[in-house]
Amino acid sequence: DAGVIQSPRHEVTEMGQEVTLRCKPISGHDYLFWYRQTMMRGLELLIYFNNNVPIDDSGMPEDRFSAKMPNASFSTLKIQPSEPRDSAVYFCASSNRGESSYEQYFGPGTRLTVT
Amino acid sequence: AQSVTQLGSHVSVSEGALVLLRCNYSSSVPPYLFWYVQYPNQGLQLLLKYTSAATLVKGINGFEAEFKKSETSFHLTKPSAHMSDAAEYFCAVSVRYAGGTSYGKLTFGQGTILTVHP
Repeated sequence: DAGVIQSPRHEVTEMGQEVTLRCKPISGHDYLFWYRQTMMRGLELLIYFNNNVPIDDSGMPEDRFSAKMPNASFSTLKIQPSEPRDSAVYFCASSNRGESSYEQYFGPGTRLTVT
Repeated sequence: AQSVTQLGSHVSVSEGALVLLRCNYSSSVPPYLFWYVQYPNQGLQLLLKYTSAATLVKGINGFEAEFKKSETSFHLTKPSAHMSDAAEYFCAVSVRYAGGTSYGKLTFGQGTILTVHP
């Protein structure tokens, strides 16, 4: 299996621009998670999906952030408009309820820089 | 709700010395517990997990952790540190019961950066 795939790996954009991060989970996994990692706040859960349905979006910082999962093999995290404080590494992870222990498999992350 | 506390944001050891990274958890129901490692510019990788079988869990790269319910701890150890162990380590907890917005969710500690000196 190729593991969790994220694109792009690096994104540099200007304040006010729209940013879209993409994730392909491991085939057969029914949970998908979006995290943000910064030096100041550590690893934060933004939102997660079960069977393509958002279950908990309480970690989404504000309305500028949105996430979708149109099918079992693809998810996006969108920031519009972007701000410098959104600069962080964004991780996608997936897991399989059938494994019963909720081990999550992480992608390599997208490093976002907003100037 | 569950929570994780990692004692010590930075730990420094000499090569060949014992590695001990501390993790305490809080959970009102039986937990699943995990240790993840993150190397620079990479995602998190699972080291080991506790899922209610043996309380002493062995993982990759010679690491192990012991679940102690009475102490609500899940400390990570390795008898002899190697330079390649330098990384950031995260402890995480999940809950087993069905339903609610906690199902399937991991709660992570703040991480411990391990430095290994020659």
